[in-house]
Amino acid sequence: AQSVTQLGSHVSVSEGALVLLRCNYSSSVPPYLFWYVQYPNQGLQLLLKYTTGATLVKGINGFEAEFKKSETSFHLTKPSAHMSDAAEYFCAVSERNFGNEKLTFGTGTRLTIIP
Amino acid sequence: DTGVSQDPRHKITKRGQNVTFRCDPISEHNRLYWYRQTLGQGPEFLTYFQNEAQLEKSRLLSDRFSAERPKGSFSTLEIQRTEQGDSAMYLCASSLVTGGADEQFFGPGTRLTVL
Repeated sequence: AQSVTQLGSHVSVSEGALVLLRCNYSSSVPPYLFWYVQYPNQGLQLLLKYTTGATLVKGINGFEAEFKKSETSFHLTKPSAHMSDAAEYFCAVSERNFGNEKLTFGTGTRLTIIP
Repeated sequence: DTGVSQDPRHKITKRGQNVTFRCDPISEHNRLYWYRQTLGQGPEFLTYFQNEAQLEKSRLLSDRFSAERPKGSFSTLEIQRTEQGDSAMYLCASSLVTGGADEQFFGPGTRLTVL
């Protein structure tokens, strides 16, 4: 079974400050890891994903995440927050197989940007 | 590419009524997923299709729920004898199977309120 824990349901940062959203996962097999963003009244949008290879993954809008197997973590960062980053962020895991790649999501972190 | 669309966007119904939601995936995508998202939670997997075949159903999907994907194109999710606990956002996602970590593209969701 797989699971995701996102620490902090609400995170507030000042505009221009570092964004750090935490995600820890549990999986019985090597995982695929994802970060999705959800803006109000819109569908989930993929920010980035980790499959294999380089553990530092770069995504859209200046976000990046680092896969740390020893810590079972996949934290999301952005060096400088922008007002448009205000949204809800979900970390998700899926198992490596060629069948059902259903996503297991965390409970989400709502990011607020302070002007 | 017009994205994944869902209809209706909002549905209010009385307890005991039946409701049906529709999802139109991205046209060339062969895999279609349904998820449910309740307030303060991340999306939870309900079921998925590969073309027209329904290959897995979550234990969350009671016998009051039925999903179809005739001809492997659009999909419908029907809930019979709705209960207040069915109130949630129902999300549809589609993907093109390429061999691993395929990106799931999400629709905007159908928000169901059961009175």
